[in-house]
Amino acid sequence: GQQLNQSPQSMFIQEGEDVSMNCTSSSIFNTWLWYKQDPGEGPVLLIALYKAGELTSNGRLTAQFGITRKDSFLNISASIPSDVGIYFCAGQKNYGGATNKLIFGTGTLLAVQP
Amino acid sequence: EAQVTQNPRYLITVTGKKLTVTCSQNMNHEYMSWYRQDPGLGLRQIYYSMNVEVTDKGDVPEGYKVSRKEKRNFPLILESPSPNQTSLYFCASSFQGVRSYNSPLHFGNGTRLTVT
Repeated sequence: GQQLNQSPQSMFIQEGEDVSMNCTSSSIFNTWLWYKQDPGEGPVLLIALYKAGELTSNGRLTAQFGITRKDSFLNISASIPSDVGIYFCAGQKNYGGATNKLIFGTGTLLAVQP
Repeated sequence: EAQVTQNPRYLITVTGKKLTVTCSQNMNHEYMSWYRQDPGLGLRQIYYSMNVEVTDKGDVPEGYKVSRKEKRNFPLILESPSPNQTSLYFCASSFQGVRSYNSPLHFGNGTRLTVT
């Protein structure tokens, strides 16, 4: 099945640094989502993007829906230790339609050293 | 509290011994889905269901079965587990159809399965 190309695969940073990760696809999506998975938990939605070019913030997190609809990025500013986890991008081709099928990226493991 | 509940959280079994992982949601969601998570491969969809008695294969359905007899429950069945099914499994749910817009997937906390 299709998967999204997510990079980097892992990041090890110092507390206070900014973080950037991205997701690319060979096909177009109508929705881009970013999830975070804490250790031992299921993924939790961080940000949802519904329009090409859309830039959305959620606290220290900012995500953008690429103009081509084939990519998205997530930035975390001034990282803190609780930002540790795996971040997944996900693309959806139909919204308000017959299926909610999401295609997930391979994940970015973020480690933050205090 | 709105949630997706999976049981058990951890399961160790032997090859060939049938098992069921349960999933229940209390949000009246039409859509439910099972994923497996493996290192370097992210989340891959096993099966999904768009409503009661409507199920379909995802990307990696081999070796799995599901059923959707009630809206709230979506069990995952491994009739004859094998070691390559050792993985972390997640159930998820959301609204379907016109209500799916702005209704992203809610995930359970996962079931870690080991097949020896």
